[in-house]
Amino acid sequence: NAGVMQNPRHLVRRRGQEARLRCSPMKGHSHVYWYRQLPEEGLKFMVYLQKENIIDESGMPKERFSAEFPKEGPSILRIQQVVRGDSAAYFCASSPGMGQRGDTQYFGPGTRLTVL
Amino acid sequence: GENVEQHPSTLSVQEGDSAVIKCTYSDSASNYFPWYKQELGKRPQLIIDIRSNVGEKKDQRIAVTLNKTAKHFSLHITETQPEDSAVYFCAAKGSGYSTLTFGKGTMLLVSP
Repeated sequence: NAGVMQNPRHLVRRRGQEARLRCSPMKGHSHVYWYRQLPEEGLKFMVYLQKENIIDESGMPKERFSAEFPKEGPSILRIQQVVRGDSAAYFCASSPGMGQRGDTQYFGPGTRLTVL
Repeated sequence: GENVEQHPSTLSVQEGDSAVIKCTYSDSASNYFPWYKQELGKRPQLIIDIRSNVGEKKDQRIAVTLNKTAKHFSLHITETQPEDSAVYFCAAKGSGYSTLTFGKGTMLLVSP
């Protein structure tokens, strides 16, 4: 059973470009979460999605950031017009969402975004 | 919303000693408390978790205790080894569709 997959693992963008980060949840998991981690800091929740639905986006900036989890394919976190302050590691996690272990989140390897 | 405080921010121990990391949470409705270990440049990995209907859980050298009344929970690592060196994060989650709120992390350094 493959774990949570993220790609790309490293992404370099110039200021003003767009960044697209992809996350494929573990097989059988229908809930996806995105977190941002700055160097030597904790994990900051951004957005929580189920298939075709955004459940909670309270941690995601209102401008330039968007997320989706379509019926088919991976979840995508999109950052438009990137700025240097967007440089961080972005982690995706997934959970089954149902059952006794429905709460348990498993993390992907992260995408390290560098904005030049 | 939920607020999770974690202490200490750094912890240095000698190999073989025990290490204890403590967290407090603010939302009395929180009912799930996982702990994650993150090595440098790697993903956070779940090492142990506890639910609010249990006071203590143990898995080999790792144990977690939960005091619901005081709203705090702790990670205990016994017989520490150099490979235990990492950043450890606690988290808390409420019921339903609520999400995990993480503490700021504890950098554990185990010296040989």
